Formats: sequence, structure tokens, C-alpha cells
Amino acid sequence: EIVLTQSPATLSLSPGERATLSCRASQSISRYLAWYQQKPGQAPRLLIYDASSRATGIPTRFSGSGSGTDFTLTISRLEPEDFAVYYCQQRHNWPETFGQGTKLEIK
Amino acid sequence: EVQLVESGGGLVQPGRSLRLSCEASGFNIDDYDMYWVRQAPGKGLEWVSGISWNSRTIGYANSVRGRFTIYRDNAKNSLSLQMNSLREEDTALYFCVKDGRDSSNFEGSFGLDVWGQGTTVTVSS
Repeated sequence: EIVLTQSPATLSLSPGERATLSCRASQSISRYLAWYQQKPGQAPRLLIYDASSRATGIPTRFSGSGSGTDFTLTISRLEPEDFAVYYCQQRHNWPETFGQGTKLEIK
Repeated sequence: EVQLVESGGGLVQPGRSLRLSCEASGFNIDDYDMYWVRQAPGKGLEWVSGISWNSRTIGYANSVRGRFTIYRDNAKNSLSLQMNSLREEDTALYFCVKDGRDSSNFEGSFGLDVWGQGTTVTVSS
């Protein structure tokens, strides 16, 4: 089973700042990585798939990069609605796995 | 509107069984792989099980393999999860989820693009 490790666990930033979230896989997953945003009391929302493709309706301030074992989700300029928990997910093989999440909180 | 609605959750004693159901509307599930993902209270997401569009490929998390069984009925546009030998650590909100990629033409986003609101399973004596 592939283990995904996200860092940092918590990221404290202010609106307008740039956020950089990391996800590292225990073995190569090519570009089969997705990112999700989850707000309290809501189901997760797909942001990025195939490491760098934005899902339908996702603002351009969200971008993804990486391949192999190291991946990054970048939010260029934080909006108030971006403060949430972010998860990465590997889709390279089954069982698929999620990272433990990064909480993005308002500083 | 594309929608997934889960049902069947509840309070159950350790060792007992429960069957979750998921009804899809606004799209035909027979073109998509489908999944169950769970979230324990205050914890992160855990991929539980997946089933390919034609039921030929099925997978389980190590934590549930041998106890849970995933089914799909494309004619009824529905997905199910039979959970046996339940443990306290199975307590979670269970989401029914759709793959964004259409298996008939490999178009769409290769991510989990539609989620239900979840059904809560509590395993406790």
C-alpha cells in the first residue's frame, strides 16, 4: 500500500498570501495524484487531478505540480473561502490512499 | 443535477453487519468506476473500496478486506457496501463517490468528482 505524507500538518497564512502544500509518496506514482478541499460539515471537493489538471470550475489560483514521489499544491493568492483542509490522493494503484491532510488556517 | 444519496447507516454492535446503499441520479453509473470513502470523527479520509464500471475489478483497503463487500447494480443505478464483522474502528461517515473519468471513452477528470453527503455508521456496544 502506498503511503502519502502531507506537510505541513497545519499552515497559518493570511488572505492574499501564497500557500504551498506538499505531498510525498512512498513510491513512484507517476502523475496519478489528485487534490481535494474539504470544509467543515461538507464532502470533499475535487481540485486537481493528474497532478496538475484543474477540475471543472476550480479557480486558476489553484495549481498543482510534481511527478514521481513529490507533489505540490499551490494557491497563489488566498481568498477567505480557501481556508479548509486539503488532502492528496494517489490513483496509481488500488487500494488508493489519501494523505493525512493539511489544515490551512487563517493567521 | 448529478447526485449521490447514501442510506443504511446507523448504530450497530461490534461483530454485527450493516449494508449501505447509494442511489445515483442525474447520470448513469454504468460508465463510471465507483467508490466508498470513509471519514472517522475528526479524522482524515480513508479509501475503503472501489468497483470498476463492469464489476470486473474490485479493490479493498487492507483494513476492511475480507469483511466488506462492494456491489453495484447498473440497472438500478445503485452501489452497495455489505459490512460484516464490524469493529469500533469502522465508526465513520461513509461517502459514496463517483470517478470523474468515463470508462467508455476515458474522457473526464481522473479524480473523485461527485460525492454524496454521507451516511454515519457507529459501531458500539
